[in-house]
Amino acid sequence: EDKVVQSPLSLVVHEGDTVTLNCSYEVTNFRSLLWYKQEKKAPTFLFMLTSSGIEKKSGRLSSILDKKELFSILNITATQTGDSAVYLCAVGDGGSQGNLIFGKGTKLSVKP
Amino acid sequence: DADVTQTPRNRITKTGKRIMLECSQTKGHDRMYWYRQDPGLGLRLIYYSFDVKDINKGEISDGYSVSRQAQAKFSLSLESAIPNQTALYFCATSGPGIGETQYFGPGTRLLVL
Repeated sequence: EDKVVQSPLSLVVHEGDTVTLNCSYEVTNFRSLLWYKQEKKAPTFLFMLTSSGIEKKSGRLSSILDKKELFSILNITATQTGDSAVYLCAVGDGGSQGNLIFGKGTKLSVKP
Repeated sequence: DADVTQTPRNRITKTGKRIMLECSQTKGHDRMYWYRQDPGLGLRLIYYSFDVKDINKGEISDGYSVSRQAQAKFSLSLESAIPNQTALYFCATSGPGIGETQYFGPGTRLLVL
């Protein structure tokens, strides 16, 4: 059965801390892995990863994929209270005609 | 203007009522999706459509139906709403490539009493 597992499920840090969110997957026909940030509304796209070992970076956020070990990490440096959100990992499965399989998310709380 | 819009944004209904949630997109995408989100369960796929003539059931399609009225419009109906359909519903679109980025609407919060 295809699955996407995120860890930890929740995390509380203080402003300025660096956090690493994990996403492991078992998918029959992997095509891509995506990270989303969800606050109180719709998810916001962060990164899409298709190749191993190539880091994608945007400001304080970065992500990398390891297709051999079947996982990805999302790093956030110098966290701010505005980073508080649920971070969703999703894997595009070519075997199911392009649908995304979502993990349950990691809830990040950044305290001042 | 938002690329993916959903109406209504919030809805309260009673058990047994039929309701429709609507989704429109201006991204020109062929692929559209309906998800529901429940606390602790993440997003689950209800239905998806790869073009106007192609509609497929997702993980949890029972109790739901959809209509793809045009490339830009994809509606979700609850034929006879029940309380365990209380959830946050998201519509999404994506380009034609397998595994392409999905763009989400703002969500519809539905409460079934």
